[in-house]
Parts: sequence; structure tokens; C-alpha cells
Amino acid sequence: EAQVTQNPRYLITVTGKKLTVTCSQNMNHEYMSWYRQDPGLGLRQIYYSMNVEVTDKGDVPEGYKVSRKEKRNFPLILESPSPNQTSLYFCASSLSGFGYTFGSGTRLTVV
Amino acid sequence: KNEVEQSPQNLTAQEGEFITINCSYSVGISALHWLQQHPGGGIVSLFMLSSGKKKHGRLIATINIQEKHSSLHITASHPRDSAVYICAVSRANYGQNFVFGPGTRLSVLP
Repeated sequence: EAQVTQNPRYLITVTGKKLTVTCSQNMNHEYMSWYRQDPGLGLRQIYYSMNVEVTDKGDVPEGYKVSRKEKRNFPLILESPSPNQTSLYFCASSLSGFGYTFGSGTRLTVV
Repeated sequence: KNEVEQSPQNLTAQEGEFITINCSYSVGISALHWLQQHPGGGIVSLFMLSSGKKKHGRLIATINIQEKHSSLHITASHPRDSAVYICAVSRANYGQNFVFGPGTRLSVLP
């Protein structure tokens, strides 16, 4: 089945403890991106990648890192999470930008 | 002023009604996307438009590049259409850099 898989689905962590949210797609898509969704602020793009080893900042990249070492994976790294990074995170992928397939989301709570 | 605006913010309709959701934007774009977010949180991409009109089943999306406006129409609405509909634009000359509208919450009553 063609899909974008995010893990974990839910995560509660403490301030400052490094974490990685994984994202993997099995559709050979070039484009991948990360978003966060917050009440009253909607969806906002964190980072995107248009090819292997190519990443670009979205509107809210502060406090996040990404890497694209291989086509299928695009992990989101929080080196030192803070409570303001508590959010619902989505990964998505696309073949040339014609329509995106979204992962199921990761609900992150930082205490 | 937000770069992408939607109206209405909330919409309640009776089953069978024709529904229109509007999106206006203030930046140069390379494409406009309509997304559907289900009550459970999952997001589905409905349309990508750079010009004209697209139709898929009961859904129709149009875009007017000169007026910087897009509409999403739902014909013969059904309770399963209840969701949040989100307009997103990819900024021109910025690859796949997206900015999103605030969403329109649609409830279709049986």
C-alpha cells in the first residue's frame, strides 16, 4: 500500500531531551516536507526537501533539524525540545508537487 | 494581513445543498492546493491547481490567477463531507514552500 509512515504517533517527552520523529514513504517521491499544526495558527511548514541531500527552510524552522540522506526517509530532529514545540506534526510526500500524501500525524507533548 | 485567507470560517449545510468555500491569497504562487482534514485528524490532498478548473466526483475547484482567488465547490453535499477544508499555496520562486489558509470547518447535517 502506498503510504507515508510517521513514528511515533504519540510522544510525551521532557524539555531538552533530544528526539527524532521518523517519516518514510514507499512511493519513490522526490518531495517531502514537515508541518506543524497548532490551534488558532493552523498548518505551518517547518522544512521541505525537493531531492536527496537538498533541504530548505519553511516558515517555522527554528528549533528543528532535518536530513534527507536517502529518498524514502525524512526524519525531523528536535535537538533540545521546548514546551512551545508541543504540537501535532505531519510529514507529507509528493511526486513533483502534483498532490501530497500525508502521514497520520505525530502528537508531541513537551513538558 | 494573512497571505492566505478563507471564507467562511464555519459552514453548516443540509444534506444535498451546494457548497462553496473561498480562498484568496496575496502572494505570487506557483500552485494552489485544496486539502481535506477529517474529524480524526488525517489530511487528504484533494486538488492541485495552477489555472482553470478541476473536477473529481462531486468536488470542483477553480482558480482565477488574475484575481488571486480560488473556490472549492461541493455538489449534492453529504454528511461524510463534514471536515475542515484547507487552502494552501506554494510561493512562486520558492520551490515547495507552502503557506496555508486557516481552514473552513464544514458540517453537513442529515
